[in-house]
Amino acid sequence: GENVEQHPSTLSVQEGDSAVIKCTYSDSASNYFPWYKQELGKRPQLIIDIRSNVGEKKDQRIAVTLNKTAKHFSLHITETQPEDSAVYFCAALSPTGGFKTIFGAGTRLFVKA
Amino acid sequence: SQTIHQWPATLVQPVGSPLSLECTVEGTSNPNLYWYRQAAGRGLQLLFYSVGIGQISSEVPQNLSASRPQDRQFILSSKKLLLSDSGFYLCAWSVAENNEQFFGPGTRLTVL
Repeated sequence: GENVEQHPSTLSVQEGDSAVIKCTYSDSASNYFPWYKQELGKRPQLIIDIRSNVGEKKDQRIAVTLNKTAKHFSLHITETQPEDSAVYFCAALSPTGGFKTIFGAGTRLFVKA
Repeated sequence: SQTIHQWPATLVQPVGSPLSLECTVEGTSNPNLYWYRQAAGRGLQLLFYSVGIGQISSEVPQNLSASRPQDRQFILSSKKLLLSDSGFYLCAWSVAENNEQFFGPGTRLTVL
């Protein structure tokens, strides 16, 4: 089945700097890659997603890139702000995997003011 | 608009006691439904998912079970809780397999 690896587990950046979180997946049939943000004690919420037919997607300060050949995708946050501090999860969904979304272990991002 | 409810919000139960967590979705029909468990400071572990009434797929062997008695109702149960069952239980739904999952507010379970 699908396996998603996420790095780093913890990331600390200065306010205004960029943050990059990387994920790899194992199932080449995976075609949907969402990113979720979870603030402390809250539910995860989707911040951006990308499908396998595109290589990059951007939404204001966040962007996601996908390399299907290498089976990895990354989240880029520019001009980080203290409110970006949270746990970020990548995920992958494969139609051959019973349509279940497999999540990475998460990255705890700290943005220092 | 669609909403998802979970209850209770918090629960403290003794080891060996039964468990029933409920999740309901409003504003959509025939959603895919999911149960996840999140241990403290950890990731999301998929426990069960359902693509229709009475259709349950189990991901991890454990002492938990799930049922979907109605289209928009998903129940997580246990006959005898273990200490290792403690965690944050999240229900989620999606309208199609390739779409965003929407999470409920979660139930924080502590087994003592």
